[in-house]
Amino acid sequence: DIQLTQSPSFMSASVGDRVTITCRASQGISSYLAWYQQKPGKAPKLLIYAASTLQSGVPSRFSGSGSGTEFTLTISSLQPEDFATYYCQQLNSYPKTFGGGTKVEIK
Amino acid sequence: EVQLLESGGGLVQPGGSLRLSCAASGFSFSNNVMSWVRQAPGKGLEWVSAISTTASGDVTYYADSVKGRFIISRDNSKNTLYLQMNSLRAEDTAVYSCAKDGAERALDNWGQGTLVTVSS
Repeated sequence: DIQLTQSPSFMSASVGDRVTITCRASQGISSYLAWYQQKPGKAPKLLIYAASTLQSGVPSRFSGSGSGTEFTLTISSLQPEDFATYYCQQLNSYPKTFGGGTKVEIK
Repeated sequence: EVQLLESGGGLVQPGGSLRLSCAASGFSFSNNVMSWVRQAPGKGLEWVSAISTTASGDVTYYADSVKGRFIISRDNSKNTLYLQMNSLRAEDTAVYSCAKDGAERALDNWGQGTLVTVSS
């Protein structure tokens, strides 16, 4: 099975900050990676698929990059509604494993 | 509008069984791969199972943690996804959500989930 390691697992940031979250795969997954945002008590929301394609309706301050084994999610200017937990998921093969999550909290 | 509505959760004793349902609407259910994802209290997301419908029949996939105990199925005539959970363990306690595959296999729509608690 493919393992995904997210870092950091927790971060404290301020409104307006540029935030970068990393996701590393235990083996190459081409660009088959998605990023999700989850707020407490809510279902996850798809932000990015195919490593860098923005899901419809997602603000352009979110961006994704990478291929193979290393991927990043970047929020260019953190907004109050962006404080949440972010997960990566590999879509290359079953089981479609998730990363452990990155919780972004207000500094 | 895509809607996914889970039901069937509840309290069950260790070793017991439970069947979850996910009623889908707003899209072509039979043409989409459907998945179950769970989240234990205070923990991260865990992919559980998926099912696709092909010309040869349904193809199913499972996480190692549930293989041999859980069975995913679908009724395309009822636009409903199921998860039969047997031999339940305390570590299966979680909110179980169904989700629909979208572009490039990402999960683009999710239900709100149903809570399963395994406890004596």
